Amino acid sequence: DAKTTQPPSMDCAEGRAANLPCNHSTISGNEYVYWYRQIHSQGPQYIIHGLKNNETNEMASLIITEDRKSSTLILPHATLRDTAVYYCIVRVPLGGSNYKLTFGKGTLLTVNP
Amino acid sequence: DAGVIQSPRHEVTEMGQEVTLRCKPISGHDYLFWYRQTMMRGLELLIYFNNNVPIDDSGMPEDRFSAKMPNASFSTLKIQPSEPRDSAVYFCASSFMETEAFFGQGTRLTVV
Repeated sequence: DAKTTQPPSMDCAEGRAANLPCNHSTISGNEYVYWYRQIHSQGPQYIIHGLKNNETNEMASLIITEDRKSSTLILPHATLRDTAVYYCIVRVPLGGSNYKLTFGKGTLLTVNP
Repeated sequence: DAGVIQSPRHEVTEMGQEVTLRCKPISGHDYLFWYRQTMMRGLELLIYFNNNVPIDDSGMPEDRFSAKMPNASFSTLKIQPSEPRDSAVYFCASSFMETEAFFGQGTRLTVV
């Protein structure tokens, strides 16, 4: 399985952009990068995913390097409610339409007032 | 849709007892996943189903764990007999084809 490496923790000031890095140097050409977050005591929540191109939605932007060995999740204007553990995941295909989502330890993002 | 629904939200049981966790996926979703989360091991994928058929159960820790999906709207995860080391939060998630997975709120299991 392609593994990901994330810093264990990061801080961000409220209202500023939060940039969360992820390394996935062993990623294969057909493996997607997914980002989830988990707010304390809740189930993980999907944020965004991408294959090669940069992606943006109402929650965040995903920047993937050209060699696809790393990516950055950007929360443009962090709020206190964005304090959570953020997981970067490489989705591994298992043949046919089957796939596997394996979570690592993630990054604990703390947004400070 | 109400999202993925898990029951019970909390379960406390004595060692040796049978425990059954339940999950109702989002209507129309064809994938269902069971995860376990502990402080030590993080989020672990236990098993997942595609169209009610188990595809990968390599994460099921031992024979005491079993999962079923009798129809598209219901799944169970059973532990028999339960042990204190099974204490964890168990999450169920579902997705439609290869789109993003939606997680339930989890069941916090405590085995004493």
